[in-house]
Order: sequence, then C-alpha cells, then structure tokens
Amino acid sequence: GEDVEQSLFLSVREGDSSVINCTYTDSSSTYLYWYKQEPGAGLQLLTYIFSNMDMKQDQRLTVLLNKKDKHLSLRIADTQTGDSAIYFCAEKGAGSYQLTFGKGTKLSVIP
Amino acid sequence: DAGVTQSPTHLIKTRGQQVTLRCSPKSGHDTVSWYQQALGQGPQFIFQYYEEEERQRGNFPDRFSGHQFPNYSSELNVNALLLGDSALYLCASSLRNSPLHFGNGTRLTVT
Repeated sequence: GEDVEQSLFLSVREGDSSVINCTYTDSSSTYLYWYKQEPGAGLQLLTYIFSNMDMKQDQRLTVLLNKKDKHLSLRIADTQTGDSAIYFCAEKGAGSYQLTFGKGTKLSVIP
Repeated sequence: DAGVTQSPTHLIKTRGQQVTLRCSPKSGHDTVSWYQQALGQGPQFIFQYYEEEERQRGNFPDRFSGHQFPNYSSELNVNALLLGDSALYLCASSLRNSPLHFGNGTRLTVT
C-alpha cells in the first residue's frame, strides 16, 4: 500500500522558523494535507495543497511541494509555544476517498 | 456553527463485547469517514459513508461495521472486541471533495 513518512521529533526555539518534512510514495496523489493534533484532541486542519501547485502560503504557514521527489514540507514562521503539538502529513490518491497519514512529527518549542 | 461531535468521549469495554460509537457531522457536510488512531501512530482509514452507503473501506476486518442515517450522522460498531482495538476513534466529515474536518474522537479502552 501507499506510504507517508515523517521524522518523529523536531525541537525549535520560540521565534525561530520550524520546517517539518514529509515524503510519500503515491504518484497519483491529488491533495496533500497538514493536520495538527494537540494532547487529548482530534485533528485540526492547518492547510492543504493541490498536487499541481508547488507552494501555498497562509499567514505564518508555507507549504512547499516537490512532486517529482514526492516531498512535502510545512514551514511555520515565528514559532510560538502554542505551536507545540504533533503535526501529521496526509495524502489523498486519485480516485480514492481515504487519506493516508504519516506517523506524525512532534514539535517542541523551547521558550 | 458546531463542528464534528462524537460520543462518548471515553469508553471502557471488556474483550469479546460489542461497542457503538456515534458521530454528528459538521453542519452542511454530507460525508462521514471513520479513522482509528493507535497510540503513537497516525490515523488509519476504516471506511467512508456517503448517501447512507459504505463508499470505501480500509484494511479492517468485518467486525468493524457502520451506518449513516438520513440526517448524515453515523455510527461505528465493533463486534467481538480485542485488546488491540484499544485506540482513539476519529470521525471526520466533509462535503464532496472538501478537506476532512475531524471531531475530538472517542477513546476506547479494551480490557
């Protein structure tokens, strides 16, 4: 089956930029998503990008997509302590209704 | 505008028992998906319901079944519970190809 890989941990200082990376195997991916999960909560949609785009910016968030390398990244500018959470990358293949998620990257922000 | 609501929030069951989890989609959404999230893992797709029919199913045994009602709400049923079914069960709703919006989940513990 299709796979999504993410590094498990990232630690940054408050005010710095965070970059969370993700790779996927599905060459038919149509949409790619970033979700945030805080302790004891569900998943919050942060942003998403259509596969024919290579960049999307939304306030402090910038998504970069390299479709050739099947690599997706999420950059958070001016990272705050409230950004501490687990971030999940997910992809949706053509003709499929399911999202395939990575295992999540735990972002720790040091004050 | 209420988001996706799930009940109950927590549940403890014994091996071999049956459980029913409930989900009300976000207002205006007509599609409900269910995901299982084991501790330390990303969500895994169970199935999706649209127009009261199971539209796509993930890699889960027949012990997992569901239903969607005319008001778009949904239930997830799990029979013959195993210890390995202990997880956070997430419901997500969407409208056609819009991104999934998740509820806060039901934490199921099987003892």
